Amino acid sequence: NAGVTQTPKFRVLKTGQSMTLLCAQDMNHEYMYWYRQDPGMGLRLIHYSVGEGTTAKGEVPDGYNVSRLKKQNFLLGLESAAPSQTSVYFCASSLAGGRNEQFFGPGTRLTVL
Amino acid sequence: QQQVKQSPQSLIVQKGGISIINCAYENTAFDYFPWYQQFPGKGPALLIAIRPDVSEKKEGRFTISFNKSAKQFSLHIMDSQPGDSATYFCAAYHSNYQLIWGAGTKLIIKP
Repeated sequence: NAGVTQTPKFRVLKTGQSMTLLCAQDMNHEYMYWYRQDPGMGLRLIHYSVGEGTTAKGEVPDGYNVSRLKKQNFLLGLESAAPSQTSVYFCASSLAGGRNEQFFGPGTRLTVL
Repeated sequence: QQQVKQSPQSLIVQKGGISIINCAYENTAFDYFPWYQQFPGKGPALLIAIRPDVSEKKEGRFTISFNKSAKQFSLHIMDSQPGDSATYFCAAYHSNYQLIWGAGTKLIIKP
């Protein structure tokens, strides 16, 4: 039981490049989330999904796109990376929404030059 | 309205002491308040949570105190240990939103 895994762990991009972050969970959770974590700003929700095939915008969705084609996977895409997207990205999942515990992956450290 | 304000930003406590982290909110519709603990290089993990109909919840050395009238809640770590050194996040939930997170407190326990 791996829980929530994220690929890759580290990545350096140049401005304008694109990339996809992959999140996978093996707990059969319905809800999945993408957060970014920046110093002094806590966790900010980028996008989330309440089930396979559904996605919704969070607090800071601009510059990101997501897809949830399979229940166990949640992809975060950056179409044209900007230095402001330098951050640590965390994926999380929960059995259901709201008051259910969120289980986090180990994070992806992304640097955009 | 949707913010959760967390203080202090960082905290240094001697081993065996009490660590106290405070959070405040404005939206009275929030009805679930979890605390998450994050070790360096790891994702956050749920530590303890409380609902507003309870004034205090204790799990081992960790206690949440909740003051509904003041719209404040706090995490107390008794007999703090070096292994408690981590970043702690408070959060609040309302059914119209997802979890709203505080900015985090970096706790260092000095041996």
